[in-house]
Amino acid sequence: DTEVTQTPKHLVMGMTNKKSLKCEQHMGHRAMYWYKQKAKKPPELMFVYSYEKLSINESVPSRFSPECPNSSLLNLHLHALQPEDSALYLCASSHLWGSDGYTFGSGTRLTVV
Amino acid sequence: SQQGEEDPQALSIQEGENATMNCSYKTSINNLQWYRQNSGRGLVHLILIRSNEREKHSGRLRVTLDTSKKSSSLLITASRAADTASYFCATGSRLGAGGTSYGKLTFGQGTILTVHP
Repeated sequence: DTEVTQTPKHLVMGMTNKKSLKCEQHMGHRAMYWYKQKAKKPPELMFVYSYEKLSINESVPSRFSPECPNSSLLNLHLHALQPEDSALYLCASSHLWGSDGYTFGSGTRLTVV
Repeated sequence: SQQGEEDPQALSIQEGENATMNCSYKTSINNLQWYRQNSGRGLVHLILIRSNEREKHSGRLRVTLDTSKKSSSLLITASRAADTASYFCATGSRLGAGGTSYGKLTFGQGTILTVHP
């Protein structure tokens, strides 16, 4: 299995909702990442997990809460989001520090209404 | 903050022509990677060049790296309509220590390539 699987592919949520994005990989990668991408912009790093521990938080607002329950799963819990949080959320994984490149999922298109 | 800057921002060519995209960056890196993205979906890893390498080939792709100028270029030869996509360079850094090192990948602004049949 050489894929990163993200669910759901599309999500529409209200500003008072709580939802979660899920990411799964079975490549044995021990580093996993969340990126946010606005339209016509490059992906921006949000969080990095290494060996299930949070290693980087790029000053992301607390309404985004990451979780890494095990080495194959990465979640992003969403609460009280704003319309400007609407974006494509990408999950990626790599061997340690990405010396062989990163594998990205196809993303979750999030719309906050 | 974005590390890599790419030019051109957009490139339009005919099928069969070569496409060249350039990337510049600001800080030291462990490697530089190129990714393709179709229609705002997931990114596909194309090629990685390490900081001690100067040139690398993969199929129709050729990437160069000049660490003294902090720049890289991606050449796609004999382009096809299916190559139409956004292309991003990304600088890879190694952080952490020992066996628990992790990476940080920082993307450039991207080049939108359109290949006309």
